[in-house]
Amino acid sequence: AQSVTQLGSHVSVSEGALVLLRCNYSSSVPPYLFWYVQYPNQGLQLLLKYTSAATLVKGINGFEAEFKKSETSFHLTKPSAHMSDAAEYFCAVSAPGGNQGGKLIFGQGTELSVKP
Amino acid sequence: NAGVTQTPKFQVLKTGQSMTLQCAQDMNHNSMYWYRQDPGMGLRLIYYSASEGTTDKGEVPNGYNVSRLNKREFSLRLESAAPSQTSVYFCASSDKVKTSEQYFGPGTRLTVT
Repeated sequence: AQSVTQLGSHVSVSEGALVLLRCNYSSSVPPYLFWYVQYPNQGLQLLLKYTSAATLVKGINGFEAEFKKSETSFHLTKPSAHMSDAAEYFCAVSAPGGNQGGKLIFGQGTELSVKP
Repeated sequence: NAGVTQTPKFQVLKTGQSMTLQCAQDMNHNSMYWYRQDPGMGLRLIYYSASEGTTDKGEVPNGYNVSRLNKREFSLRLESAAPSQTSVYFCASSDKVKTSEQYFGPGTRLTVT
């Protein structure tokens, strides 16, 4: 069975500072991993995904994440935070193949605040 | 290209009332999903449909029913609403043959009083 843990329900950074949002996963098979972003009163938008190709994945808006199998982690980073990055971020895991209908298991979410 | 659309955007129900949330996608995806989002709990899967004509329970199916009307449409029904069903509901779709990447609708904010 798959599971996802996001460390820290709230993260606050200053504008221009490094953003680091942590995600650890558990999966019995090689996983697909995703980061989604949700802006206030909107649906979820895909930031980036890992699907067993390069371990360093680049996404939209300057975000990237690195898949580390030994640490079962998929942390999200951005070198320099912008005010517009304030949102809630969700990490998710899916087991490819099988008869699971492509189900995703989501973490609890991390709300990112950016201070001027 | 509209992607995933949901209706209504907002709804207030009294306890015991019923309603159906509608979802449609125009991406020719096989799989569709219904989630609920509650503070501090992420998104939890209610029901999903891996392909037209099939539906399966997710993590929190009690109190809900679904219908995969055709490949485009997947509806969620609350037969007798309860205050515990106050939540934001999201529909999503994916082409599971590829990467399980899901595309989300804008959500329905439901309040049950």
